[in-house]
Amino acid sequence: GAVVSQHPSWVICKSGTSVKIECRSLDFQATTMFWYRQFPKQSLMLMATSNEGSKATYEQGVEKDKFLINHASLTLSTLTVTSAHPEDSSFYICSARAGGSGSSYEQYFGPGTRLTVT
Amino acid sequence: AQTVTQSQPEMSVQEAETVTLSCTYDTSESDYYLFWYKQPPSRQMILVIRQEAYKQQNATENRFSVNFQKAAKSFSLKISDSQLGDAAMYFCAYRSDLIQGAQKLVFGQGTRLTINP
Repeated sequence: GAVVSQHPSWVICKSGTSVKIECRSLDFQATTMFWYRQFPKQSLMLMATSNEGSKATYEQGVEKDKFLINHASLTLSTLTVTSAHPEDSSFYICSARAGGSGSSYEQYFGPGTRLTVT
Repeated sequence: AQTVTQSQPEMSVQEAETVTLSCTYDTSESDYYLFWYKQPPSRQMILVIRQEAYKQQNATENRFSVNFQKAAKSFSLKISDSQLGDAAMYFCAYRSDLIQGAQKLVFGQGTRLTINP
């Protein structure tokens, strides 16, 4: 089956620093990747959608200058949290979708990254 | 905009029994997909089952089946012969199939399922 990895799985950073999270599709080419944020005991909130080679589309209320998304290749997307603050502490999940026709637009999820900002 | 509602924050069931998780959604579209995802304590999202709106037949995957009522916009998940490994958070999700570039998943609030041994 399709596998999506995320790195790191857990990161602690100091307030004011930036942290980068990688999302990789290991055995398929992901034309589209999605980034979600999940607070404890809550649902997944879509932050942005990125298509390979183009700018990400951010959901309403998500600061694009704070959450920088780059989808430079068909297997890699990165989320950089700039000038992190404690309120950015959360669980970040990516998913990847292969191109194709019909019902093949399945999203495959990464294992998530826990970010703690101190 | 589409919305997905799961009205049961928590459910519990005895091992080997059957449990049904509820989900309703709101949309004006006729073509879409509905999903149930499982998120165990590891927090890895796992696809449980998928239903295409144009199909009248309810989807089934082993012990998991759905009751899809398109007119009522209802999409419940039935888990038969519950096992301890079924304990997880379950999310109902909607995906529009109307516009290729906007196939985002819209998630419900989730239902935490506990299996009692």
